[in-house]
Amino acid sequence: AQSVTQPDIHITVSEGASLELRCNYSYGATPYLFWYVQSPGQGLQLLLKYFSGDTLVQGIKGFEAEFKRSQSSFNLRKPSVHWSDAAEYFCAVGPGSGGAGGATNKLIFGTGTLLAVQP
Amino acid sequence: EAQVTQNPRYLITVTGKKLTVTCSQNMNHEYMSWYRQDPGLGLRQIYYSMNVEVTDKGDVPEGYKVSRKEKRNFPLILESPSPNQTSLYFCASSPSGGVLTYEQYFGPGTRLTVT
Repeated sequence: AQSVTQPDIHITVSEGASLELRCNYSYGATPYLFWYVQSPGQGLQLLLKYFSGDTLVQGIKGFEAEFKRSQSSFNLRKPSVHWSDAAEYFCAVGPGSGGAGGATNKLIFGTGTLLAVQP
Repeated sequence: EAQVTQNPRYLITVTGKKLTVTCSQNMNHEYMSWYRQDPGLGLRQIYYSMNVEVTDKGDVPEGYKVSRKEKRNFPLILESPSPNQTSLYFCASSPSGGVLTYEQYFGPGTRLTVT
């Protein structure tokens, strides 16, 4: 069965420190991969996406993520965290080209990682 | 401004009292979907619609209904709400065709409490 795992429920980092949020997926083929951010009281906003090609993708707000097929991972990184980055982050997968269930446009979400930023 | 809107944003109701949560998008998207978000469970899809008059069940459709009479609107209906439907609900939309279908735009959410 398709699944997404975010092992860290809650992470606290100091402002200015680097950040890495982990995401592992279980899928038969190479999926489409996404990171969304949810600020308090807000809906989800797409940070970045991977469909194919270069495995290091750049997103908005200075975030990047790297797709590692051998590790079934798509970790999110930022070199220097700002206080405004405090939010909940969700990794999601969708069936890649040729994958089953593509017609549903269905995204499978991880359970989220809540990021706190210390001054 | 391109957006997905939901109403109401907050709702407290009692068991069994029918309610509707509206969702509207102004981006001419074919695809629309409803999710519920619960602590420790992430987002789970309730229903989705590939286009007008075309709807289908997601992972957790029990207790919910939807309709898609117009392209821009996709209301979520709880005919007889129960306390286990207390949750945060999100509507999302995306264009159809290729990889763009997975770039979903989310509404601000509706927090529903059923007592």
